[in-house]
Amino acid sequence: NAGVTQTPKFQVLKTGQSMTLQCAQDMNHNSMYWYRQDPGMGLRLIYYSASEGTTDKGEVPNGYNVSRLNKREFSLRLESAAPSQTSVYFCASSENRDYGYTFGSGTRLTVV
Amino acid sequence: EDQVTQSPEALRLQEGESSSLNCSYTVSGLRGLFWYRQDPGKGPEFLFTLYSAGEEKEKERLKATLTKKESFLHITAPKPEDSATYLCAVQAFDTGRRALTFGSGTRLQVQP
Repeated sequence: NAGVTQTPKFQVLKTGQSMTLQCAQDMNHNSMYWYRQDPGMGLRLIYYSASEGTTDKGEVPNGYNVSRLNKREFSLRLESAAPSQTSVYFCASSENRDYGYTFGSGTRLTVV
Repeated sequence: EDQVTQSPEALRLQEGESSSLNCSYTVSGLRGLFWYRQDPGKGPEFLFTLYSAGEEKEKERLKATLTKKESFLHITAPKPEDSATYLCAVQAFDTGRRALTFGSGTRLQVQP
């Protein structure tokens, strides 16, 4: 009963490098989300996917891209990392009629 | 624009000392208000969803209440294991993506 699995747990990047954060859920949820969490700012939505094959921008999408590979997997890509993208990234999923999210354990990303 | 403000930012209690956390919100039309608990280094864990003013929900030492402008999380006779950050979030009816808007949280520390 894994829930939402995120990889990697920690990552250090140099400015300008690219990387993909992976997220997979095993609950057959339709909706998946990527949030970032910064001190004093709460969780902010980056991108979401209401169902397989659809994605949409959230509050802070600049500098990121996403792919909903299938119903289980939703990845977040940083094409050219910047220090402002240093943050903790959380993936979450929910069923359309169940508004509670299930979160992963997060990826702590540092861009130097 | 939906907004969520939580107070206090931090709260230190003695074991057994009851208190309340506040979540004030503005939203065009409230579909649901959510409470989450987050332990250090982990993702938020779902606690409650409240849908309409006057609604109350309880779980062990926690009780959440909702009015038209705010929600309270009452903690009765807390124990050290209740120490965590408590997050409040709202979902609006006109948000087709079902994304949540989060507050920045209240860090609760319960001392033995």
